[in-house]
Amino acid sequence: AQTVTQSQPEMSVQEAETVTLSCTYDTSESDYYLFWYKQPPSRQMILVIRQEAYKQQNATENRFSVNFQKAAKSFSLKISDSQLGDAAMYFCAYRSAIMGGKLIFGQGTELSVKP
Amino acid sequence: KAGVTQTPRYLIKTRGQQVTLSCSPISGHRSVSWYQQTPGQGLQFLFEYFSETQRNKGNFPGRFSGRQFSNSRSEMNVSTLELGDSALYLCASSPESYEQYFGPGTRLTVT
Repeated sequence: AQTVTQSQPEMSVQEAETVTLSCTYDTSESDYYLFWYKQPPSRQMILVIRQEAYKQQNATENRFSVNFQKAAKSFSLKISDSQLGDAAMYFCAYRSAIMGGKLIFGQGTELSVKP
Repeated sequence: KAGVTQTPRYLIKTRGQQVTLSCSPISGHRSVSWYQQTPGQGLQFLFEYFSETQRNKGNFPGRFSGRQFSNSRSEMNVSTLELGDSALYLCASSPESYEQYFGPGTRLTVT
């Protein structure tokens, strides 16, 4: 069975600085997708960024980028120029390419942004 | 496009009762997935429906069931509610079961 681990329950960053959130996963599959979701206090889950396992190039979405290391089964999220609105719970999620729409989530990392 | 909508947003039920939650996906999305979020267990997958058929099921007891209608709207039902069923229930829709877009959730409290 696949598992996703986020080893940092809480992280803190100064506004305008850069922070990296860690995520590791375990799978025997070769084709899959990885995601980072953000859940602010409103509880609305927002898709931040996605990565296809077959792509070697790391995904980037504006200030958000990932470091995808397939061999190491690592998928970290880098937030550059942190803003107050980035404060939220961040979840790493795995989806098998053959098992349909089931997302497996990590336990989450609570990110706080200091002004 | 309108986002995923879930109704009701908040619900209080008593142990032993049953409850039905509703989810309307983004227009054109055929896949709907349900998740339970609790402080202790985190986010757990309940089931996924695609074109009115259950395609995936998580490890939840049979008290948890769902269905999907021809317009892709989905309902989730929990029978014989237990205190441990108190949670935020999230629905997500997807065009082809790739990236999922979540609704605001239904907060269920069982007393």
